[in-house]
Amino acid sequence: SQKIEQNSEALNIQEGKTATLTCNYTNYSPAYLQWYRQDPGRGPVFLLLIRENEKEKRKERLKVTFDTTLKQSLFHITASQPADSATYLCALDPLTGGGNKLTFGTGTQLKVEL
Amino acid sequence: DVKVTQSSRYLVKRTGEKVFLECVQDMDHENMFWYRQDPGLGLRLIYFSYDVKMKEKGDIPEGYSVSREKKERFSLILESASTNQTSMYLCASSYKETQYFGPGTRLLVL
Repeated sequence: SQKIEQNSEALNIQEGKTATLTCNYTNYSPAYLQWYRQDPGRGPVFLLLIRENEKEKRKERLKVTFDTTLKQSLFHITASQPADSATYLCALDPLTGGGNKLTFGTGTQLKVEL
Repeated sequence: DVKVTQSSRYLVKRTGEKVFLECVQDMDHENMFWYRQDPGLGLRLIYFSYDVKMKEKGDIPEGYSVSREKKERFSLILESASTNQTSMYLCASSYKETQYFGPGTRLLVL
């Protein structure tokens, strides 16, 4: 069956360190993968999209990698700050139906401590 | 900036009531989506629409219906609310691959 897995345990790191979040998937062949940030009680906000032919993408302190052989994406936040504390969701296109549908992982909560 | 608004942030309804959740987007997006989000289950797609009057079932459509009479508005209807429909409901619209979410409606069915 198709599955997207993100670490359900919260990730606690110290301010200034690099946070690395993992997204693994099975039985999908996505053309792209996206990462979203969600704050408590709010809707997710788009951060980055990486396509299957791209190995890495960067945006300011954010970096995403996409390994279609391992079926894995890594999401890095460098020089993390307490304001980065949130839940991070990965999402990919299930390639079923139209309308740019996405299937989301359950998210990993990141806590950046002073 | 894309703006997706939802009619209510919090809603309390009784079992058996008909519930309408409204979503409006201001960016002329073709695609609109309704999700529910529950702890440990993540975001699950209820219905989506890729054009006016067009709708497709998502992964969990049972107990829900939708309406899209105008491009900017996508409504989710709970025909007869039940306690297991207590959840956070999120609407989104999309331009190409990226989805833009509203703030969510936290629905409590008593």
